[in-house]
Amino acid sequence: DTGVSQDPRHKITKRGQNVTFRCDPISEHNRLYWYRQTLGQGPEFLTYFQNEAQLEKSRLLSDRFSAERPKGSFSTLEIQRTEQGDSAMYLCASSPGEYNEQFFGPGTRLTVL
Amino acid sequence: EDKVVQSPLSLVVHEGDTVTLNCSYEVTNFRSLLWYKQEKKAPTFLFMLTSSGIEKKSGRLSSILDKKELFSILNITATQTGDSAIYLCAVEGKSNAGKSTFGDGTTLTVKP
Repeated sequence: DTGVSQDPRHKITKRGQNVTFRCDPISEHNRLYWYRQTLGQGPEFLTYFQNEAQLEKSRLLSDRFSAERPKGSFSTLEIQRTEQGDSAMYLCASSPGEYNEQFFGPGTRLTVL
Repeated sequence: EDKVVQSPLSLVVHEGDTVTLNCSYEVTNFRSLLWYKQEKKAPTFLFMLTSSGIEKKSGRLSSILDKKELFSILNITATQTGDSAIYLCAVEGKSNAGKSTFGDGTTLTVKP
């Protein structure tokens, strides 16, 4: 399967713990995006990368969230000191360039108890 | 701040019906509008629209954009139960190319 993959698919954690998610984009896609989606709402932009450069980070994103794409391939999203409000589906997407449709991964569903 | 409003929020139809889903938007320096279909997983791409009045078509699905009135519609003819999904509309501006702002979607249920 050469689509976008995400790991883990599900994560249950206790409030205050740190979690890290991984996204592997379609190879040769230089753009990578992270979104958060809660029930009944559309995906909410978090951040995106052009190769290894993080070009924008949502103002809604607190300092507890950080993302990296160290070699311009896979990316990680870390949430520190998780809160119940962080419970959501975290979606990763990639695209071959600036003006292309995005290809989404299956998402990581986070539940914070 | 870019904004996308979709209507209706939900829709229930029977197989064979035709449906029209609406998307209105506000975006700085419009670049494109995209439609995605989301079943019990991640969104999958349907259409990208950049020019007014030019219909995009794929099988029973079609979409058109009106840049003057700032809206788009997605039509599905002869609906099937497999069309049941959430349909998401997103916009991109030239100033933040690649960053999509999504609406909350229209949930379509097609009954046999």
